[in-house]
Formats: sequence, structure tokens, C-alpha cells
Amino acid sequence: TQLLEQSPQFLSIQEGENLTVYCNSSSVFSSLQWYRQEPGEGPVLLVTVVTGGEVKKLKRLTFQFGDARKDSSLHITAAQPGDTGLYLCAGRSQGNLIFGKGTKLSVKP
Amino acid sequence: EAGVAQSPRYKIIEKRQSVAFWCNPISGHATLYWYQQILGQGPKLLIQFQNNGVVDDSQLPKDRFSAERLKGVDSTLKIQPAKLEDSAVYLCASSARPRQETQYFGPGTRLLVL
Repeated sequence: TQLLEQSPQFLSIQEGENLTVYCNSSSVFSSLQWYRQEPGEGPVLLVTVVTGGEVKKLKRLTFQFGDARKDSSLHITAAQPGDTGLYLCAGRSQGNLIFGKGTKLSVKP
Repeated sequence: EAGVAQSPRYKIIEKRQSVAFWCNPISGHATLYWYQQILGQGPKLLIQFQNNGVVDDSQLPKDRFSAERLKGVDSTLKIQPAKLEDSAVYLCASSARPRQETQYFGPGTRLLVL
């Protein structure tokens, strides 16, 4: 069974701080995605990384795919209250998405 | 462009009762997915349709869960009879074609089984 481990499980920070969340697996994925899910809503895709070592930036968010395509990280610079939500990573294997349990981020003003 | 629509948004039932959820995907999207998201977990794929055919239902508990997409557009997911452990958010997603990178999720139906 392929598993994606996300850490930390919970993170509570003040506005303006930086943070990094991690997504790790012992399995190789053809691609990896990051989603943000707000309460009462479905997940919304933030980014897809495909190539080992790939780095993508989306405003204050930086996503990195590990060289071996087994792990990924999400770094947020100068977090804002609007970044609050559940961050899910999902690896694609044999056509299907396998989700991690998520990191619940709370950014306090 | 309208997003994925789901109804109802909330449902409370007693164990052993039946319940059905409805999903209307984004217009033109051939692939439709149903996921189960238990509190504190990530979404888990239950079933994937390509048009009106089932592509993958390997994780669907077929003794109590069923799903259909008769005309290749709307879909219904049914649970009969419900158990306490079925309490979860049921998410519907669609993509333009199979294995396309972008899946668009609906808001989900929150089910509580008492």
C-alpha cells in the first residue's frame, strides 16, 4: 500500500512567519500535487510537480519535488490569515491520486 | 464556468438507513470521481467513471455502496444500509479526461450516521 506521510499534522503560527510542510513516501510517484481545502469546501489544486528536483513558485508559496520523486515540500513566506486551511499532498500512481492526511494550518493575525 | 455541484450539502441519518448523494460534474468532463474523506484523513477514491462506464471501483465497499452514471453526466452514490463508520464527507470530482492532472472538486456532502 502506497502511503503519503505529511508533517506536521497541525501548525499554528502568527501572521508574517515562514513555514514549511512536508510530504514523504517510500514510493515513487509520476507526479505530485498540492491542494488547499477550506472548511466546508472541496480541495482546490495549487500546483502539480512532475520532474524530480523541480521547484515551482506561486506568489508566496514555493513547492519542491524531491530528486527521487518520493517526497515534496511546501514553503510559505510571510504567511497571512488567508493561508489558513488544510494542505493536502497527493501522489499520482497508476493513474489514481493517493492523498496524504494533510497539514492543518492556522495563521493568526 | 460552473463548478462541480453536489447535493445535499448535509445529511443526518440513523444507522441501517439508506442515503443517496447526487453530483453534477463540470460540463463536458468525461471523467467523474467519488471520494470519501473521513475526519482527519485525506480523500480516498471510491469509484471512477469514464463517461457512463466504471474505470476503477476497487475501493468501493460493494456490499453497501453503489454508484451509477447512467447518461454519462450526473452521478448518484448510494449507501444501503449505512453504518456509523460511514460518517464522512463525500466528495465528487471531475476531469476533462482520464488521468488528466487537474481534478475539480465539488463542495462535498457531509454525512453523519447516528
